[in-house]
Amino acid sequence: EAGVAQSPRYKIIEKRQSVAFWCNPISGHATLYWYQQILGQGPKLLIQFQNNGVVDDSQLPKDRFSAERLKGVDSTLKIQPAKLEDSAVYLCASSLDLSYNEQFFGPGTRLTVL
Amino acid sequence: GDSVTQMEGPVTLSEEAFLTINCTYTATGYPSLFWYVQYPGEGLQLLLKATKADDKGSNKGFEATYRKETTSFHLEKGSVQVSDSAVYFCALSEVNSNYQLIWGAGTKLIIKP
Repeated sequence: EAGVAQSPRYKIIEKRQSVAFWCNPISGHATLYWYQQILGQGPKLLIQFQNNGVVDDSQLPKDRFSAERLKGVDSTLKIQPAKLEDSAVYLCASSLDLSYNEQFFGPGTRLTVL
Repeated sequence: GDSVTQMEGPVTLSEEAFLTINCTYTATGYPSLFWYVQYPGEGLQLLLKATKADDKGSNKGFEATYRKETTSFHLEKGSVQVSDSAVYFCALSEVNSNYQLIWGAGTKLIIKP
């Protein structure tokens, strides 16, 4: 079974530029999560999707971050414009369904904002 | 709200030593408990889990027992190896929080040969 795929693995941009991350969850997984993990900290949930609907985006900085999962499968997370403090690893995870609480993580995208 | 507290690191041990990483939690309902591991440069992997009181999760020689009376889920391993060097995260999930994972801050484990 293929795992959660993410791309790119690494990205370096300058502040005020835009960046987008892509995630392909495990086939058949209805729930998809985006996390931000700052070095030395635990993951922070940014947004949770159930199929193509948003369950929770309360911690997503909506003035600069956006995410979509239009067909209920792949998802993209965008930052526009990026700030220095956005430097982090962005993790995508998926689970079979909302009440199936085991999450499977992708390898993450390491973003460096200069 | 729900929270997870785990011991601060780094924890440095010699190979073959006994490992304990403490984890305690607060929750409004009846959570499931998890240990995730993050090896250097890799994503998070589920190490083990327990879904109800007195359950013991185990994997790769690691164990943790869900203790409702002490609200704890301590991670243990009898004999650690250099390859166990990683960051370990304790987490919980329950219906009252939409089954979102509530994470501890992580404990970095360093095993010296």
